[in-house]
Amino acid sequence: GAVVSQHPSRVICKSGTSVKIECRSLDFQATTMFWYRQFPKQSLMLMATSNEGSKATYEQGVEKDKFLINHASLTLSTLTVTSAHPEDSSFYICSARMVGVAYYEQYFGPGTRLTVT
Amino acid sequence: AQSVSQHNHHVILSEAASLELGCNYSYGGTVNLFWYVQYPGQHLQLLLKYFSGDPLVKGIKGFEAEFIKSKFSFNLRKPSVQWSDTAEYFCAVNDGSSGYNKLIFGAGTRLAVHP
Repeated sequence: GAVVSQHPSRVICKSGTSVKIECRSLDFQATTMFWYRQFPKQSLMLMATSNEGSKATYEQGVEKDKFLINHASLTLSTLTVTSAHPEDSSFYICSARMVGVAYYEQYFGPGTRLTVT
Repeated sequence: AQSVSQHNHHVILSEAASLELGCNYSYGGTVNLFWYVQYPGQHLQLLLKYFSGDPLVKGIKGFEAEFIKSKFSFNLRKPSVQWSDTAEYFCAVNDGSSGYNKLIFGAGTRLAVHP
């Protein structure tokens, strides 16, 4: 149980284009989903927190107009990287917190590797 | 703001050696603490977690961690590592100050176990 999927797993796009990454909780409903960015050999850096039906909360230094987050349902959140540039190339990971669970465990997706050429 | 420090960035061990990975956090109030593991090419998996109660927490695959409040530490241990334990290990603490209870991760420790 508690499986989170991401699609696509890898994407290559040209500079200036936009890319959408989907995060789905497959067997549970998620009140909150999180988006992280992981650079090679580094830790996960939280980009934003999204709650179903409300605007995402972005971490300091993350451009909300560049990284658009939509949390349309309790099982789906999307991250759109707009006007991508090579420096946006990274590993993007989402996680989801289960509805009704009192503690603060997050379930992580397998990640999406974005390469901007 | 909460922060997490992992002291060892790279650890190399032989099979059957004992493992201890250090983790310290900065916040002095009530904390929820986690250790996650990321095997090569795979997603993050929860090894163990601490919320309250017995400070010695047992997790999956023979791992355990001890919460020492006075030292702000939550070190991960395993008495005898296996080659399959080769992975990256992340300590994380729950930060409830934002209202969203976000996880703050340490920099990670890359463990290589040689047969």
